[in-house]
Amino acid sequence: GNSVTQMEGPVTLSEEAFLTINCTYTATGYPSLFWYVQYPGEGLQLLLKATKADDKGSNKGFEATYRKETTSFHLEKGSVQVSDSAVYFCALWSGTASKLTFGTGTRLQVTL
Amino acid sequence: DGGITQSPKYLFRKEGQNVTLSCEQNLNHDAMYWYRQDPGQGLRLIYYSQIVNDFQKGDIAEGYSVSREKKESFPLTVTSAQKNPTAFYLCASSIGTSGGNEQFFGPGTRLTVL
Repeated sequence: GNSVTQMEGPVTLSEEAFLTINCTYTATGYPSLFWYVQYPGEGLQLLLKATKADDKGSNKGFEATYRKETTSFHLEKGSVQVSDSAVYFCALWSGTASKLTFGTGTRLQVTL
Repeated sequence: DGGITQSPKYLFRKEGQNVTLSCEQNLNHDAMYWYRQDPGQGLRLIYYSQIVNDFQKGDIAEGYSVSREKKESFPLTVTSAQKNPTAFYLCASSIGTSGGNEQFFGPGTRLTVL
């Protein structure tokens, strides 16, 4: 079946540090890939997405590239801010299953 | 403003009682979803509906029931048969169920069973 594996958190960084959150997946067919962000006490918001191999999704300084050869969709940001502190979820959509499959989430804490 | 509302934000119930969680959307979306979130486990799909008067079980439907009588509404009932109901419940909607469609999430309801 489909699955998403994310690096365990929490990830603790100082403000302006470089961020990478690793995400790898297993899926049949050609899934679409997503990163969602959850701020404390809230629902999830879509951060970025990519629907085919080699696509790069980007938003608010975050980027992720759909790498079919390594089945990965790592999230990166060049300079994090305290306001980026949240839980980040990698997810895939597989047409064969008609649903989103989520990773377990990675908590990011950014300090001054 | 368009969006998804869930009520209440916090809900407490005694063991053995059924409880219904509300989810309403004014985005004119056809598809709606219910997820359960537990610490360290990500989100798991309970039920989803692609159209009014139709719904399908997700990965963890046992002990839950839903209805979809109106396009805007997709209430979830947590029954007494659900063995471990304390969790954070998230409702979502999307235009349709194809791969590129973004799912929009509500703010969630935290259910605590005492």
